[in-house]
Amino acid sequence: EIVLTQSPGTLSLSPGERATLSCRASQSVSSSYLAWYQQKPGQAPRLLIYGASSRATGIPDRFSGSGSGTDFTLTISRLEPEDFAVYYCQQYGSSPFTFGGGTKVEIK
Amino acid sequence: QLQLQESGPGLVKPSETLSLTCTVSGGSISSSSYYWGWIRQPPGKGLEWIGSIYYSGSTYYNPSLKSRVTISVDTSKNQFSLKLSSVTAADTAVYYCARHSPAAGTPFGYWGQGTLVTVSS
Repeated sequence: EIVLTQSPGTLSLSPGERATLSCRASQSVSSSYLAWYQQKPGQAPRLLIYGASSRATGIPDRFSGSGSGTDFTLTISRLEPEDFAVYYCQQYGSSPFTFGGGTKVEIK
Repeated sequence: QLQLQESGPGLVKPSETLSLTCTVSGGSISSSSYYWGWIRQPPGKGLEWIGSIYYSGSTYYNPSLKSRVTISVDTSKNQFSLKLSSVTAADTAVYYCARHSPAAGTPFGYWGQGTLVTVSS
């Protein structure tokens, strides 16, 4: 099983600032099958990024993903008020699919 | 627009079987290359994939739950279902159904709103 470790656990930033979230895998993620999701309280997760760097339909271009192998990054170039949420990475290259523990992006 | 909706009891007694159904609308569950999965999230915690099924009935499960999980599909009703046996308080969670496509290399792009299942006597 691939274990995903996200850091930091919490990121305190102001609107307009840049957010950089990390996801490290315990072994290489097959075919860069790494996704990022955003989750707000009481809502289902929303797919942001798949294939490590492809934005899902309707996702603003301030969200970008990068990385390969075992190290992946989600960057939010300029935080908007609606971006404060919890973010999860997920690998779907090998079963069992696994999720990271999440990074909470909160308003400073 | 594809929509998924979970349904089932919100309260299950310890040692009993949790049963949930996901109804798919706005698309066919029999669409080729798509798998239909279950994911859960204990209150205040992270996400855990439970298992997935293809419309043909082919399944794969998380080994951590495999001995207690059965996922089935009913193409005539455009539904798929989850059964989790011998539940304990640790199975209390919001349960989500979602669609993914291993063949296309896409993860869980469509999710239901989730349903909270509490295990308690």
